[in-house]
Amino acid sequence: GESVGLHLPTLSVQEGDNSIINCAYSNSASDYFIWYKQESGKGPQFIIDIRSNMDKRQGQRVTVLLNKTVKHLSLQIAATQPGDSAVYFCAENIERRSEKGGSEKLVFGKGTKLTVNP
Amino acid sequence: NAGVTQTPKFQVLKTGQSMTLQCAQDMNHNSMYWYRQDPGMGLRLIYYSASEGTTDKGEVPNGYNVSRLNKREFSLRLESAAPSQTSVYFCASSTTGTDYNSPLHFGNGTRLTVT
Repeated sequence: GESVGLHLPTLSVQEGDNSIINCAYSNSASDYFIWYKQESGKGPQFIIDIRSNMDKRQGQRVTVLLNKTVKHLSLQIAATQPGDSAVYFCAENIERRSEKGGSEKLVFGKGTKLTVNP
Repeated sequence: NAGVTQTPKFQVLKTGQSMTLQCAQDMNHNSMYWYRQDPGMGLRLIYYSASEGTTDKGEVPNGYNVSRLNKREFSLRLESAAPSQTSVYFCASSTTGTDYNSPLHFGNGTRLTVT
C-alpha cells in the first residue's frame, strides 16, 4: 500500500494568509521528496523538491520542510492567492532503479484540496 | 517547448474495444512513465521506460501494453478495454541519472471512459 499520506484532505484559507499543507511518509529510506500542484482538468505541476540531506528548501512563495525524525513533510505557501486553489500532492522517491539512465519510483499521496477564499 | 503532450484529451470506448494513448515529450528526457489517477487512489504507475528501448511494469500493469517508440514518444495500449480501466491517464517524463534525482513532468491527461 501507499506509504505517503496526508493529515487533512481539505484546507480552506483566506486570501493573503499563509497555508501549510502536511504530508506523512513511512519509508525512512526515501531520499527525495516532491510537491505537486494539480488544478482541475490539468496534470500535476511540479512546485518544489527536497533531498533527504536537507531539512528546508525555499522557492518563490513556497517553502518545504522535511522532518526525518518523525517522517513528516510540509509545504508552506506564503500570502496565498486565489490562483493557489488546487489539489496538492506530496511524493516520495522510495527506489532508484538501476536501469540504464536510471528512473525513479515515486509513491504519491492522495492529495489535499486547498481552497482560497477572497 | 510544449513539455509533455498527450492525445487524445478525451475518449469513450465500449467494453472490448482497443485504443492507443499517445505521449510525446520535447525536453530530451530519458525516462517516461504512464500513470492512472482514480478518485481516492492517487496516482498509480502502470508502466515506465527508463530509457529508449526499455520498458518495465509498474504497480498496475494488467490490461495494458506500452511501446517506447523513440526517445520522445511512449504509447500506452489497451487491447480490450474494461470498465475498470475508466480513469484519467497521465504521461510523465524525467531526466534521471544514477546519482541524482529530478522531478517528473506531467502531461494534461487523457480522460477515458469505458462503457
